[in-house]
Amino acid sequence: AQSVTQLDSHVSVSEGTPVLLRCNYSSSYSPSLFWYVQHPNKGLQLLLKYTSAATLVKGINGFEAEFKKSETSFHLTKPSAHMSDAAEYFCVVSDLFYNQGGKLIFGQGTELSVKP
Amino acid sequence: EAGVVQSPRYKIIEKKQPVAFWCNPISGHNTLYWYLQNLGQGPELLIRYENEEAVDDSQLPKDRFSAERLKGVDSTLKIQPAELGDSAVYLCASSSAARVNTGELFFGEGSRLTVL
Repeated sequence: AQSVTQLDSHVSVSEGTPVLLRCNYSSSYSPSLFWYVQHPNKGLQLLLKYTSAATLVKGINGFEAEFKKSETSFHLTKPSAHMSDAAEYFCVVSDLFYNQGGKLIFGQGTELSVKP
Repeated sequence: EAGVVQSPRYKIIEKKQPVAFWCNPISGHNTLYWYLQNLGQGPELLIRYENEEAVDDSQLPKDRFSAERLKGVDSTLKIQPAELGDSAVYLCASSSAARVNTGELFFGEGSRLTVL
């Protein structure tokens, strides 16, 4: 079965410093992986996705993530945090054969706080 | 384009009362999802529709939960009777045929239920 573990429930950074949100996955197959963001009182929004193409994936708002099969990791990074990045971030793995109707399986989320 | 619209945004009821949530997906999106998000957790799939057909309802507690998507557009999720443990955010999401296989879902802002 597929599963995903977000290693930090809360991360706090200062504005202008790098962001690192950690995610490890478990999968018996080559997975599809995603990061979604949830701003307060807003709907979840797709940040980026990995689907077996380039291992370094670039997303919106300057975020990127690197798929490392040997470490079963898909960590989310950003070189310089902005106040507007404060939100809840979810690492997501697809169920087997997502393109045949499988499920998205969400991690428990990491809350990112950005201090002025 | 308009996003996924959910109502009500907030609902407070006493246990054993019924409650219903409504979702209007993005125009043209054939796939519709209902997710449950407990406090501090990631969303979990309740049911997935392809047009008016429920193609995955394996996680829907059918003793008290029901859902329908008449005419393949709007959807309603009902709980009857509600229990204290049903307090959560109920998320609706939709996707198009072109995007569903990429894992990109569009989420509404959610309906927050409090059962007293």
